[in-house]
Formats: sequence, C-alpha cells, structure tokens
Amino acid sequence: DQQVKQNSPSLSVQEGRISILNCDYTNSMFDYFLWYKKYPAEGPTFLISISSIKDKNEDGRFTVFLNKSAKHLSLHIVPSQPGDSAVYFCAASAVYNQGGKLIFGQGTELSVKP
Amino acid sequence: NAGVTQTPKFRILKIGQSMTLQCAQDMNHNYMYWYRQDPGMGLKLIYYSVGAGITDKGEVPNGYNVSRSTTEDFPLRLELAAPSQTSVYFCASSYGFRQGTNEKLFFGSGTQLSVL
Repeated sequence: DQQVKQNSPSLSVQEGRISILNCDYTNSMFDYFLWYKKYPAEGPTFLISISSIKDKNEDGRFTVFLNKSAKHLSLHIVPSQPGDSAVYFCAASAVYNQGGKLIFGQGTELSVKP
Repeated sequence: NAGVTQTPKFRILKIGQSMTLQCAQDMNHNYMYWYRQDPGMGLKLIYYSVGAGITDKGEVPNGYNVSRSTTEDFPLRLELAAPSQTSVYFCASSYGFRQGTNEKLFFGSGTQLSVL
C-alpha cells in the first residue's frame, strides 16, 4: 500500500529550463508535505515543505504546489542547474501519526544537462 | 558541526551473523529514526524513538531491534542477518513533533549493508 507515489523514476531537463517533479498521495489525513534531495553516497537533505492550509510555498528557485482535491503536489525548479541533479523524494505526515513519522515516495532522479 | 553520524559506511555480512549499526547525533534532538532504502522503494521506517528510553516500531521492524539509552545514541541491531536485509540504512533525527518544521529530518550519510 504505497500511500505516497512518485510515478516518474527519472527526469532529464536542460540547464536553465524548468524541472517539474510530481508526487501523488492517497491518504486524505496527510497535512504536511516535504521534499528532500539526495546526492549519491549522502543522506537526504531537507529542501522545502508545505502545510495543507497552503497551496503554494516558494523558496528561491524552488516552489512546491499542493492540490488537495487531486491529492497531488509538485516541485518546480526554475531555472534548473546542473547542481540540482539528484534524487528527489517527496514525503508526507499526518497530525495523528505521532512521532512525526514521514511516509516517503519512491524518489525521482533528476538529471540537469548543461 | 557533526550532525548525525553513522558507522560503519559499508559492511558485508554472512547469513545468520549479527551486527549493530551505530548512530549518534549532537543536536540534542528528541526524535531519532532508522530508515532503510531499497532500490525503487523509497525510504521505509524501521524504528523510531521519541526520547531516551522510548522506542516504537515503524513500517518494517521485523528482524531488527533498537535501544535508546541516551539522547545522543540510537543503535540498530540485526540479530540474524538475512539477504532481505541487504539495503542502505539511514539514521535521522529531528527536534520534535509538530513544532514548526520538526518533520525536517536530519539524516546521516548511510550504511550500505550486504548480506550474502
């Protein structure tokens, strides 16, 4: 039962263009969503988050959009840079899920080509 | 500024052997977690702890044990290693639950474990 799904295992984008990474979830109780970025041989690092009371959160080149009715969120990176090449995980949590336990998607590997 | 430190980085075990994956954090975080990452499967929570002396199971706890005797340390024990436990293991910590961006986890660099 995959509650958080990233259906695209990989994405290739030209430098300077927009990267859009998608994530779908099934549990309507999720109320907080995060994106993590992972380079090879390193642990994931926090990138950006959004609460379910918002539909957009922006931090520099990174914007996360939340569509609660569709149970869908997306991460936009504009403009994309070669250093953005990494695996991106979306994650979700619910207020009833004590301990801040995050449910992660499978990840999308982004490749930004010069 | 160490953050979350995991040891070892790599390990090969034979079936039936035991080992302990070490994890330490120096951020005085209350919450600590163990995840495993399998190819194409994302990160699955094995065990977590909300403070010293308190641990609880995550999604995939079978075959593992944990303890939390101090705030800083959260070791993961594999008692009888099986090939299904071949994975990359990540330890993480966070300050608390539902306090701002507490779900912001800080991860260690991982332990790659192979059971042959």
